[in-house]
Amino acid sequence: DARVTQTPRHKVTEMGQEVTMRCQPILGHNTVFWYRQTMMQGLELLAYFRNRAPLDDSGMPKDRFSAEMPDATLATLKIQPSEPRDSAVYFCASGLVPDGGLGTDTQYFGPGTRLTVL
Amino acid sequence: DQQVKQNSPSLSVQEGRISILNCDYTNSMFDYFLWYKKYPAEGPTFLISISSIKDKNEDGRFTVFLNKSAKHLSLHIVPSQPGDSAVYFCAASALSSGSARQLTFGSGTQLTVLP
Repeated sequence: DARVTQTPRHKVTEMGQEVTMRCQPILGHNTVFWYRQTMMQGLELLAYFRNRAPLDDSGMPKDRFSAEMPDATLATLKIQPSEPRDSAVYFCASGLVPDGGLGTDTQYFGPGTRLTVL
Repeated sequence: DQQVKQNSPSLSVQEGRISILNCDYTNSMFDYFLWYKKYPAEGPTFLISISSIKDKNEDGRFTVFLNKSAKHLSLHIVPSQPGDSAVYFCAASALSSGSARQLTFGSGTQLTVLP
């Protein structure tokens, strides 16, 4: 049963601390997306990658957020320094876009990381 | 400016009846639409999709209707079951400059199916 996995599931930290969230996309998928869900904004796209290359991170506050894919099986989202307004659930999703084509738009989501910054 | 809107934050329906969830969009470039279902403490799961070349797509109890002229789509669930109680997100995508399409999500509708 192929699934997107995310760690940690919950994180409580203090303002100013660094937070790293990890995502393992479904094996064989070549696109990875990071979303943030808040009560006020719903699901917001923060960044996405294709074949490990960042395609768009315009939804991300650049001064404190960074997203990387060190390899095809791991995506990371870092916040440094964290602030209380970063408290949200962060979802990772993956999908498959065939080379040379647009492919499916279906994205498969992980269970999320619930972040609380005090 | 929200490009995908779900104006009803919540909907309650009796078991066995039809549930109709609505979604409006403003971006005429959107050409692919999806519905996701989300249970508490879980990520959204894909439910059903429709391309703009169609006006209806059916999968079991779930049917999505697309009205391009009105920029409106709806999800029909019939018959509704208590296990359908969840938050339903409408999402839309358009061809972008990148080769992976982005999804724009609505704010969600909490469906409660009463036994």
